[in-house]
Amino acid sequence: KAGVTQTPRYLIKTRGQQVTLSCSPISGHRSVSWYQQTPGQGLQFLFEYFSETQRNKGNFPGRFSGRQFSNSRSEMNVSTLELGDSALYLCASSIPGADTQYFGPGTRLTVL
Amino acid sequence: EDQVTQSPEALRLQEGESSSLNCSYTVSGLRGLFWYRQDPGKGPEFLFTLYSAGEEKEKERLKATLTKKESFLHITAPKPEDSATYLCAVQAKGAQGGSEKLVFGKGTKLTVNP
Repeated sequence: KAGVTQTPRYLIKTRGQQVTLSCSPISGHRSVSWYQQTPGQGLQFLFEYFSETQRNKGNFPGRFSGRQFSNSRSEMNVSTLELGDSALYLCASSIPGADTQYFGPGTRLTVL
Repeated sequence: EDQVTQSPEALRLQEGESSSLNCSYTVSGLRGLFWYRQDPGKGPEFLFTLYSAGEEKEKERLKATLTKKESFLHITAPKPEDSATYLCAVQAKGAQGGSEKLVFGKGTKLTVNP
């Protein structure tokens, strides 16, 4: 079975721009969660989607948003990028009702 | 607020030198405690899920245990390929019974020298 895939793997943007990251979950997994990983803060939860609905949200500003499509694929968007948004953005998928989340390889975002 | 603290931050071992990593947690109703391994530039790789105090799980040279306040990841006779950052995370019971967020510790960076 193919794992979680994320595109693109690397991105370089400048301050003020916006960016969209994509995540395709494992086949049959309908829950998708997003995390931000930085050296200082570690892994922090952004939001979770299930059946195209945001079910849970972390403590991030409104510049961070996401959505999920009917095929369970998910996108997250960051608007008005700041230097501090430079991070590894990780997507994880799981089967609803099951606990284990499986992570993708991440998208490395660098904001200049 | 749910919290996870891992220690030590970094651990350097010689090949074959067994040791343990610690994960202390506070959570409002534990649904599960998770161990992941993360190699540089990659996403976390799932290792174990533990649900209740007293539970133990093993995989090759790794053994995870759980008490009401902490979890240990025991590494027996490690090899250089065990070098990675080991992450611990807790998941609280959700009010709606759905999948809740994972709260991660900062991780323990393990280096095993040949």
